[in-house]
Amino acid sequence: DTGVSQNPRHKITKRGQNVTFRCDPISEHNRLYWYRQTLGQGPEFLTYFQNEAQLEKSRLLSDRFSAERPKGSFSTLEIQRTEQGDSAMYLCASSLGMRQGAGETQYFGPGTRLLVL
Amino acid sequence: AQKVTQAQTEISVVEKEDVTLDCVYETRDTTYYLFWYKQPPSGELVFLIRRNSFDEQNEISGRYSWNFQKSTSSFNFTITASQVVDSAVYFCALSFNDMRFGAGTRLTVKP
Repeated sequence: DTGVSQNPRHKITKRGQNVTFRCDPISEHNRLYWYRQTLGQGPEFLTYFQNEAQLEKSRLLSDRFSAERPKGSFSTLEIQRTEQGDSAMYLCASSLGMRQGAGETQYFGPGTRLLVL
Repeated sequence: AQKVTQAQTEISVVEKEDVTLDCVYETRDTTYYLFWYKQPPSGELVFLIRRNSFDEQNEISGRYSWNFQKSTSSFNFTITASQVVDSAVYFCALSFNDMRFGAGTRLTVKP
């Protein structure tokens, strides 16, 4: 399977704990995106990387959230001191983009569903 | 500001009916890209179509067709002769760098 993969698929944690999610993009894709999707809503943009550089962060990405893509391949999204409001599906997508504003197609992974108790 | 509105929250049809999903967008950019994605119950977003703002030609792919009208800022999606397997949530999205999604339309096709 050469699509975008995400691990774990499900995570249940207690409020106040830290969690980390991993995303492996399509191998030749240089751009990687994180989105959050709550029930009944469309995905909301969180952040994106071009290779290892984090180029844009949404206001939704509070200081408890941090994302990395250390070698320009896989990425991790960490949430510190989780809150019940963090419960959502976290989606990763990747694309092949050569310039800003190219609007290239993003291919999505299956998501990590987080439940904070 | 960029915004996508999908006014239809839920639609229910009987198999073989045609159904149109509406999408209206707002942007100040002259160059932009529009997308439709399908999210079946399994949860993974499946890419359906990408359109740039300079290409207003309608497109047909099998039972799917898309009507892009810049004059009304709409990018509507029609499924002809719907099937039960078309049941899913459909999202319209607008992109320059990051992608802005509408709230989605849940389509249920009953046998």
